[in-house]
Amino acid sequence: DAKTTQPNSMESNEEEPVHLPCNHSTISGTDYIHWYRQLPSQGPEYVIHGLTSNVNNRMASLAIAEDRKSSTLILHRATLRDAAVYYCILSRYNQGGKLIFGQGTELSVKP
Amino acid sequence: DAGITQSPRHKVTETGTPVTLRCHQTENHRYMYWYRQDPGHGLRLIHYSYGVKDTDKGEVSDGYSVSRSKTEDFLLTLESATSSQTSVYFCAISERGPGNEQFFGPGTRLTVL
Repeated sequence: DAKTTQPNSMESNEEEPVHLPCNHSTISGTDYIHWYRQLPSQGPEYVIHGLTSNVNNRMASLAIAEDRKSSTLILHRATLRDAAVYYCILSRYNQGGKLIFGQGTELSVKP
Repeated sequence: DAGITQSPRHKVTETGTPVTLRCHQTENHRYMYWYRQDPGHGLRLIHYSYGVKDTDKGEVSDGYSVSRSKTEDFLLTLESATSSQTSVYFCAISERGPGNEQFFGPGTRLTVL
């Protein structure tokens, strides 16, 4: 299974943009890039996903490098409620869509 | 929120006893997944199902079995619980499976003494 690499932790100030990086140099053509986040004592929450093109939704934006070996999750204005562990995950189409979680990035947001 | 419930939410049991965890969905989604989460390991996939009676193994399936006799229920069974299976267990569902979002349940905290 393809692996992802993320920084262990990042800090942000409230109301500022946050760019969370992820490296996935062994990504294959059928791998989707997913981002989930997990708040303390809760199950993971879907944030966004994409295949090749950049994606936007109400929660965030996903910027995918042209060679697909890296991606960046962008939170446009961080709030205190965005403090969570963010997981960058590759999901292979021909493997039932199973998600292989890594360690994730713990994001803290300062007021 | 997606209609996913897990039962029980908390369970304490003894080594060697059988344990069954239930995941119930009201969304009629085809795909269902069981994960476990331990400190320092993130979430790891145990088993998944891509339809009634269709299941497959994940990365940490040893010691676990699953069954899916109807769309809405996915059962995870520990035939003989061990202390290494103390963990938080999450169920997830997905409508379209591969490449699409999964919705997670609230989790079950299992302690094996």
